[in-house]
Amino acid sequence: DAGITQSPRHKVTETGTPVTLRCHQTENHRYMYWYRQDPGHGLRLIHYSYGVKDTDKGEVSDGYSVSRSKTEDFLLTLESATSSQTSVYFCAISDDGTGAYEQYFGPGTRLTVT
Amino acid sequence: GIQVEQSPPDLILQEGANSTLRCNFSDSVNNLQWFHQNPWGQLINLFYIPSGTKQNGRLSATTVATERYSLLYISSSQTTDSGVYFCAVERSGGFKTIFGAGTRLFVKA
Repeated sequence: DAGITQSPRHKVTETGTPVTLRCHQTENHRYMYWYRQDPGHGLRLIHYSYGVKDTDKGEVSDGYSVSRSKTEDFLLTLESATSSQTSVYFCAISDDGTGAYEQYFGPGTRLTVT
Repeated sequence: GIQVEQSPPDLILQEGANSTLRCNFSDSVNNLQWFHQNPWGQLINLFYIPSGTKQNGRLSATTVATERYSLLYISSSQTTDSGVYFCAVERSGGFKTIFGAGTRLFVKA
């Protein structure tokens, strides 16, 4: 939806390994977000970006880092994956430059850490 | 931080019935959105409504910012309305989005 893709869509990895998830948009939106969704917790913001190389922490940022070197790409890295990071990860975008701040979501990435 | 509470947590409707979902928030906000997550996990933006009333087909939403609540109305419900409805807010002066826990809706044929 709204030209947002996430890769990979599914991943199984072992505890202690690094993992990078990619969010790619073709809509030239300024803001990009990473959320995680867990049963009983709804969606929680991990990190967000308000421009190239401009990022900030969300409410559950520990154990995660992000980078945005181009407008269209926002990367989420788990430096050393833990079982508590097993979750569904969603990317979102907003602000098309017209004052519209609706968030549009990607399809999600299901990550399992064994 | 800001608290977002949604009610009811679960709702079962017969097809054709109407319903009202509520979102209460604990602080001033400059952004409020409603989302629908379908049974396949896809999240769809329904409304961006920091204040006032909007309508889109069978759905409408009203936010009373001064009283810190928003309502989502679903009329003539259909089985395709099933899923989870989330309210999400951004506190005034901030950019961090906080989601409520959602209302899980099941519409029976």
